[in-house]
Amino acid sequence: AQSVTQPDIHITVSEGASLELRCNYSYGATPYLFWYVQSPGQGLQLLLKYFSGDTLVQGIKGFEAEFKRSQSSFNLRKPSVHWSDAAEYFCAVGGPGTYKYIFGTGTRLKVLA
Amino acid sequence: DSGVTQTPKHLITATGQRVTLRCSPRSGDLSVYWYQQSLDQGLQFLIQYYNGEERAKGNILERFSAQQFPDLHSELNLSSLELGDSALYFCASSGLAGENRPGELFFGEGSRLTVL
Repeated sequence: AQSVTQPDIHITVSEGASLELRCNYSYGATPYLFWYVQSPGQGLQLLLKYFSGDTLVQGIKGFEAEFKRSQSSFNLRKPSVHWSDAAEYFCAVGGPGTYKYIFGTGTRLKVLA
Repeated sequence: DSGVTQTPKHLITATGQRVTLRCSPRSGDLSVYWYQQSLDQGLQFLIQYYNGEERAKGNILERFSAQQFPDLHSELNLSSLELGDSALYFCASSGLAGENRPGELFFGEGSRLTVL
């Protein structure tokens, strides 16, 4: 069955520190992978996506993610976190021939000044 | 602004009632998705329409139904409401990304439903 696991429900980092949010997926075919961010009271906004090709993808707001097929992972990273990055982050998986995006349960990021 | 419009933003109703949530997709997007976000269940896919036809179904209860109209707006109907239906309901739209890929989802700001 298709699934996405985000093992960290909450993460707290200091402003300026590096960040890595974990995402593991289970998918029977080549996955399409996404990271979305949700600020309080807002809808979800796409940070980045992976369809094929280079396994390191760059997104908006200085985020990047690396697809590792052998580990079924698509972890999100940022070298230096800003206070405005405090939000909830969702990993999602889809794929060719399916129109169902499966979302993880989210990781809530808190940034300390 | 994602270009996806959802109404109403907030809705409070009683158990047993019926409500309709409305979604207008981004201009040109043919696909509309409905998701339910609750604290204990995360973001759950409910249903997807493409150009007026149901394309995929997720964990949608029989008490819930949806449709997409010729002008591409969509409505999600929730009936015989229960306390557990209280949640944030998101609509998202997408176009095609080529090669039969699902396109990027653009989310509305959601409709917060409270069932008392």
